[in-house]
Amino acid sequence: EIVLTQSPGTLSLSPGERATLSCRASQSVSSSYLAWYQQKPGQAPRLLIYGASSRATGIPDRFSGSGSGTDFTLTISRLEPEDFALYYCQQYGSSNRALTFGGGTKVEIK
Amino acid sequence: QVQLQESGPGLVKPSQTLSLTCTVSGGSISSGGYYWSWIRQHPGKGLEWIGYIYYSGSTYYNPSLKSRVTISVDTSKNQFSLKLSSVTAADTAVYFCARAILNCSGGSCFYYFGLDVWGQGTTVTVSS
Repeated sequence: EIVLTQSPGTLSLSPGERATLSCRASQSVSSSYLAWYQQKPGQAPRLLIYGASSRATGIPDRFSGSGSGTDFTLTISRLEPEDFALYYCQQYGSSNRALTFGGGTKVEIK
Repeated sequence: QVQLQESGPGLVKPSQTLSLTCTVSGGSISSGGYYWSWIRQHPGKGLEWIGYIYYSGSTYYNPSLKSRVTISVDTSKNQFSLKLSSVTAADTAVYFCARAILNCSGGSCFYYFGLDVWGQGTTVTVSS
């Protein structure tokens, strides 16, 4: 079973700053199987990125994903007030068709 | 635009079976490429995938929950359902239904487009 570890647990930044969120897999993950989500309090998660780097429909271009193998990154180029939220990475496991989530990174206002 | 809506009891007694239904509107549950999923979130915690089902009835479950989980589909009603047996307080959570998109062929899946549509979630409390 692949384990996804997200870091840092909490990121304290100011609006306008750049946010860099890390997702590390316990073994290599195909880029085709890696997604990122945003979740705000009391809401369902929202798909941001799939295929490690493709933005989902309607996602602003300040959100970008990158990485391969065991290391993936979500970057928010300039934080807007509405971007302060929880972020999860998630992968599809081709061996057992299971979905796995990382533990999440909270982006909070500094 | 596809929308999902969870329904079911908000309170379940310990040792009983939790039953939830997700109704799909704005699209057909029988469309290919979609895996209809259940995910839960314990209070103040992260997301846990429970399992998903294809419209044909093929199911895939989280190994840690597999012995207690059954996911079924009713294409005539455009619904899919979750049953979780022998619940304890540890099953108290917000339960989400969602749509996963997978590009599969010949028994293998080659691309994962993520969980692109989610229900709003329903809170289930296990308590006597």
